[in-house]
Amino acid sequence: NAGVMQNPRHLVRRRGQEARLRCSPMKGHSHVYWYRQLPEEGLKFMVYLQKENIIDESGMPKERFSAEFPKEGPSILRIQQVVRGDSAAYFCASSPPGSGSYNEQFFGPGTRLTVL
Amino acid sequence: DQQVKQNSPSLSVQEGRISILNCDYTNSMFDYFLWYKKYPAEGPTFLISISSIKDKNEDGRFTVFLNKSAKHLSLHIVPSQPGDSAVYFCAEGYSGGSNYKLTFGKGTLLTVNP
Repeated sequence: NAGVMQNPRHLVRRRGQEARLRCSPMKGHSHVYWYRQLPEEGLKFMVYLQKENIIDESGMPKERFSAEFPKEGPSILRIQQVVRGDSAAYFCASSPPGSGSYNEQFFGPGTRLTVL
Repeated sequence: DQQVKQNSPSLSVQEGRISILNCDYTNSMFDYFLWYKKYPAEGPTFLISISSIKDKNEDGRFTVFLNKSAKHLSLHIVPSQPGDSAVYFCAEGYSGGSNYKLTFGKGTLLTVNP
C-alpha cells in the first residue's frame, strides 16, 4: 500500500508564475490536508478537503492560493503569481473516511517550492 | 504569536543515554498532544500522543509526559539509538470540531552519536 504521494518533490518558479502542487492520498483515504512549513518554522495548517468539498480553508492566505480535491485525480494546491515569500515546503496528509482526525493523518514527503 | 514552543533547536546525545525533548504551549484549549519525527526529505511520521486527561504515555523506548499546570510536554527516548537522529516536532490539537488541525512547534534536531 503506497503512502501519500506528492509531486513534484522540488519546484522552482520565478516571481509572477503559477505553482501547482499535487497530492495523491493513500489508497482508500478521502480526507486531505495541506500544511506549509516556512524556513525555520513548524508546519502550519492551510486547508482540509474531502472529495469535491473544501471543509476548512481557514489557514489559506486570502489571495492567490486555492485548493481542490476532485472526484477523480489528485488534490491540487495552486499558487498564482508566486512571490519569494511563498518559498517553503508544502506537505500533504491524508486520512481514512469517517475520521477527519489528526491521529490518523499520514504525511507525504512534501514539495519544496523555491521562488526566484 | 507562537502557541507551541520548542526552545531547543538542537540536542546532541550519546548512544544508550536518555534523550529529553521539551515543548511548551500557551493555549489551554489544546487537549491532545503529539510528537512527530521527521527525517530529511521525508514527511513527518507520527510517533506518540497523549490526551490531556493523562500525565504519561509510554510506547517502547518512547515516553511522553504532560504537565498541564506548567503547560509543558516532554518526550523521553531511552535508550537513544543513532537511528533516532531526526527532527522532532511536538504538535497540539483539539478533540472538538476542528480536530484535524494540528499546531506544530518549530522542531528540535536530535543527534544521537554512536
